[in-house]
Amino acid sequence: QVQLVESGGGVVQPGRSLRLSCTASGFTFNSHAMHWVRQAPGKGLEWVTFISHDAKYTFYADSVKGRFTISRDNSKNTIYLQMNRLRDDDTAVYYCARDLTDRYSCDYWGQGTRVTVSS
Amino acid sequence: QSALTQPASVSGSPGQSITISCTGTSSDVGGYNYVSWYQHHPDKAPKLIIYEVTNRPSGVSNRFSGSKSGNTASLTISGLQAEDEADYYCNSYTSSTTWVFGGGTKLTVL
Repeated sequence: QVQLVESGGGVVQPGRSLRLSCTASGFTFNSHAMHWVRQAPGKGLEWVTFISHDAKYTFYADSVKGRFTISRDNSKNTIYLQMNRLRDDDTAVYYCARDLTDRYSCDYWGQGTRVTVSS
Repeated sequence: QSALTQPASVSGSPGQSITISCTGTSSDVGGYNYVSWYQHHPDKAPKLIIYEVTNRPSGVSNRFSGSKSGNTASLTISGLQAEDEADYYCNSYTSSTTWVFGGGTKLTVL
């Protein structure tokens, strides 16, 4: 069955960096684009970023553009989210999600990893 | 990238039907048939329940249905059940090659 497992969350000071990972199993990873979506405490879901199946295309929300970088290693069935210059408002649970090919939606989600930005 | 507009909360009794609206613009909801809906129970992974405005993934109850008119999409849940109590989010692809969520709607089953 499809599984997505996020890792790398934790507590980090403002201005520092953190890298999240999402390891997939149960499907042909290199055939699917992937997303990161986050949820701040008490807030709704916020789309963060997208990477195509071959890493040729990446897109970002304005709130993270220039600070976050999504990448993938298809040999390891893993995507990454490099988060730099972290701010208080980046505090959230970060979910990775599989793109439902050509349907512009996310059909499988991980359980999330929590990131807290605090001094 | 303004969030799509959803009511903060809706409620209904078991067996009733409810509808959640999701209003965007011609650059997102109105411009594409790429509206999806997600059910999110606290401390669980979100679940896709509707994609491409009206389509249900395999395994999703036919009590869930979606529609769209102009810049507003809607999710209808019929025959409300206790386990439907959750947060619901709409999402749309946008002309900026991004995706945008609605603010979320808390469904309470009375």
